[in-house]
Amino acid sequence: AQRVTQPEKLLSVFKGAPVELKCNYSYSGSPELFWYVQYSRQRLQLLLRHISRESIKGFTADLNKGETSFHLKKPFAQEEDSAMYYCALSNRDDKIIFGKGTRLHILP
Amino acid sequence: DAGVIQSPRHEVTEMGQEVTLRCKPISGHNSLFWYRQTMMRGLELLIYFNNNVPIDDSGMPEDRFSAKMPNASFSTLKIQPSEPRDSAVYFCASRPQAAGANVLTFGAGSRLTVL
Repeated sequence: AQRVTQPEKLLSVFKGAPVELKCNYSYSGSPELFWYVQYSRQRLQLLLRHISRESIKGFTADLNKGETSFHLKKPFAQEEDSAMYYCALSNRDDKIIFGKGTRLHILP
Repeated sequence: DAGVIQSPRHEVTEMGQEVTLRCKPISGHNSLFWYRQTMMRGLELLIYFNNNVPIDDSGMPEDRFSAKMPNASFSTLKIQPSEPRDSAVYFCASRPQAAGANVLTFGAGSRLTVL
């Protein structure tokens, strides 16, 4: 069965420090992986997807098929990064499932 | 485009009452997803439709939950009878058909409180 695991419910990081939000998945095929973000009083929105291989708002994520991981990273945290982050997986049937989410809190 | 439109934004009801949540997807999007968000379970997929046809409803908690998509521009999620444990934020999201456009656009959500 496919599954997305985000082990941390809450992550607190000081401004300027590096950020890493962990995501592991289980899926027998070749998945498509995403990170979605929900800022306070805003809608859930796409942050980035692995096939785009781009950096958005300073965030990057690399798909590691050997470790079945898709961790989200940013070298220097900013206060505006405080939000709820969800890792998501899409299977060959285009079903999209999400992890439980990690709340990122940037400390001043 | 106003994006994905959900109604009501907030609903407070008593246990045993019927609840109907509504969603209007983005025009031209052919897939529609219903999710439930809670602190304990995160974002759970309830059901999704392609071209108005339900594809996977394995996430629907039990028979009290039902979802329909009578046409390309409207979907409902119904809970009958509602229970306090159904309290959550329910999100609708739509997705275009174009190849490579496997990205969801979410509505603002419907916050349900069952007393």
